[in-house]
Amino acid sequence: GENVEQHPSTLSVQEGDSAVIKCTYSDSASNYFPWYKQELGKGPQLIIDIRSNVGEKKDQRIAVTLNKTAKHFSLHITETQPEDSAVYFCAGRAPTQLIFGQGTTLQVKP
Amino acid sequence: NAGVTQTPKFRILKIGQSMTLQCTQDMNHNYMYWYRQDPGMGLKLIYYSVGAGITDKGEVPNGYNVSRSTTEDFPLRLELAAPSQTSVYFCASSFGTANSPLHFGNGTRLTVT
Repeated sequence: GENVEQHPSTLSVQEGDSAVIKCTYSDSASNYFPWYKQELGKGPQLIIDIRSNVGEKKDQRIAVTLNKTAKHFSLHITETQPEDSAVYFCAGRAPTQLIFGQGTTLQVKP
Repeated sequence: NAGVTQTPKFRILKIGQSMTLQCTQDMNHNYMYWYRQDPGMGLKLIYYSVGAGITDKGEVPNGYNVSRSTTEDFPLRLELAAPSQTSVYFCASSFGTANSPLHFGNGTRLTVT
């Protein structure tokens, strides 16, 4: 079955810097890769997703890239702000369920 | 719309006790899910349902049961609570397949002592 590995587990950046979180997946048949943001005391919320027929997708300050050959995908956050501080999860589809990575705690220092 | 509502928010159980975690959604979503979240482990799927009367096991179903008698409700039952079930439980729903965004509730923090 699908296995999703996420790195790093924690990430600390200065406000205004960029942050990158990476995930690898095992099932070459996976074709959908969402990213969720979880704020303290709340449930995760979808922030961006990408399908396997696309190599990159952007939405304002966030972007996701996908390398199907290497079976990895990454979340890029530019011009980070304190409100970006949260736990971020990647996921891969396998085949009817989403398998989540272990999560990355992002801290943006003012 | 309230979205996905989970009750209770917090609960402490003694070993061997039973309880039901409630989940209801008002978005008319066919798909509903139960996940548990443990530190450093991400979200693990316990059970899911693709519609009323249909349920299926996820990655970690042992020790849990579910039912789906209506589109809106998807309760999770713990029959004999064990310390290993100490976790934060999230209910989620989606409109269609796994490619549809999941809408999560705010979770139930359960401690078994």
